[in-house]
Amino acid sequence: QVQLVQSGVEVKKAGASVRVSCKASGYNFITYGISWVRQAPGQGLEWMGWISNYNGKTNYAQKLQGRVTMTTDTPTSTAYMELRSLKSDDTAVYFCATRRSLALRNAFDLWGQGTLVTVSS
Amino acid sequence: IQLTQSPSSLSASVGDRVTITCRASQGISSDLAWYQQKPGKAPQLLIYAASTLQSGVPSRFSGSGSGTDFTLTISSLKSEDFATYYCQQVNSDPLTFGGGTKVEIK
Repeated sequence: QVQLVQSGVEVKKAGASVRVSCKASGYNFITYGISWVRQAPGQGLEWMGWISNYNGKTNYAQKLQGRVTMTTDTPTSTAYMELRSLKSDDTAVYFCATRRSLALRNAFDLWGQGTLVTVSS
Repeated sequence: IQLTQSPSSLSASVGDRVTITCRASQGISSDLAWYQQKPGKAPQLLIYAASTLQSGVPSRFSGSGSGTDFTLTISSLKSEDFATYYCQQVNSDPLTFGGGTKVEIK
């Protein structure tokens, strides 16, 4: 079954770190990278960055530089997103997403189910 | 690259023709995608490369445009189409999304 399955709900204190996992199955994980997108409550979608599952190359959104790290474990087909120094406005649903064809030009045809991260002060 | 969607919300009836626009702050060729999102769910890809229908998406959805101005059209609204729609530019990093258009039942 082709899917991305994410880890569960997280509740963190301000200043802490969170790590969300995204396990892929049913397609060639190495071929395309994983992007992370977040959505604050009642708000729109925000792209956070991307990691190549082939060579680990990353590209992060400027506003998150220094606080976010994306990694990938190819033997288990799992991608991870760690966000540090959490603030209340990091409260959001975090999605992993990928494309499975070059023709999609970085549009995402496969998404994880989302992971709610709540940051309390 | 900023994407401005309009309207931010609309009310429509089943069977209506609905048009949503997305304007880019600079030219992005045809590097635009459209998504549908329902409450509590991940976005679903509808259209990529501005006008190519994703596999499995009903033909009542269509996309057009290039450069800076793009349109998503639903030819005859069905009950399952009430949702929020987002455009996304995939021309250059950082990838960006429009603010969304919520399609509600009239």
